[in-house]
Amino acid sequence: QQQVKQSPQSLIVQKGGISIINCAYENTAFDYFPWYQQFPGKGPALLIAIRPDVSEKKEGRFTISFNKSAKQFSLHIMDSQPGDSATYFCAVSLSYGNKLVFGAGTILRVKS
Amino acid sequence: DTEVTQTPKHLVMGMTNKKSLKCEQHMGHRAMYWYKQKAKKPPELMFVYSYEKLSINESVPSRFSPECPNSSLLNLHLHALQPEDSALYLCASSHRLRPGQGTLGVFGAFFGQGTRLTVV
Repeated sequence: QQQVKQSPQSLIVQKGGISIINCAYENTAFDYFPWYQQFPGKGPALLIAIRPDVSEKKEGRFTISFNKSAKQFSLHIMDSQPGDSATYFCAVSLSYGNKLVFGAGTILRVKS
Repeated sequence: DTEVTQTPKHLVMGMTNKKSLKCEQHMGHRAMYWYKQKAKKPPELMFVYSYEKLSINESVPSRFSPECPNSSLLNLHLHALQPEDSALYLCASSHRLRPGQGTLGVFGAFFGQGTRLTVV
């Protein structure tokens, strides 16, 4: 059973555009929702994370939007740059369980 | 220092070999993890150590044997692996929260760069 569904599988965005990646989950007990960025040959890097008591969190060009009732959350990358080209993973977890479950990943390519 | 260091970066081993992967962190984290990542797939959890005790084993074959000698170190001992075990092995660490303790921001899991393992 897939605990978190991520879409799209791949995304091509023009430089300066907005990249949007979506994730949906089933278990309402999850209470920690991070996004990771991974470059080829590197480990995933924690990008931004949110708890379900807020609907939006912004850090620089990266924003998480969270819809608790719909059990969905999304990553928005504003002013996308070629250096943002990477694979992005959403994840879900229980804070006190320390067990991250990842979405399938989205390969983002930003064209210059 | 928000770094998780893994050695070696690359490892090629035969199916009869015994080898070990090492992971070190100095962030004071008391939860440490091993993940396995195949090409074009997300990381999959293998083991979780909490306060140096194994708390989660995701039904990993016994040819993978984890060890947590102290709060900063995590090892993964490999023996009699199969070619399908070839993958990127990732170590991660995070704070270990208990109910009523801590907030978001201290919980993020930090990953190392991984060990690229090839079994021949």
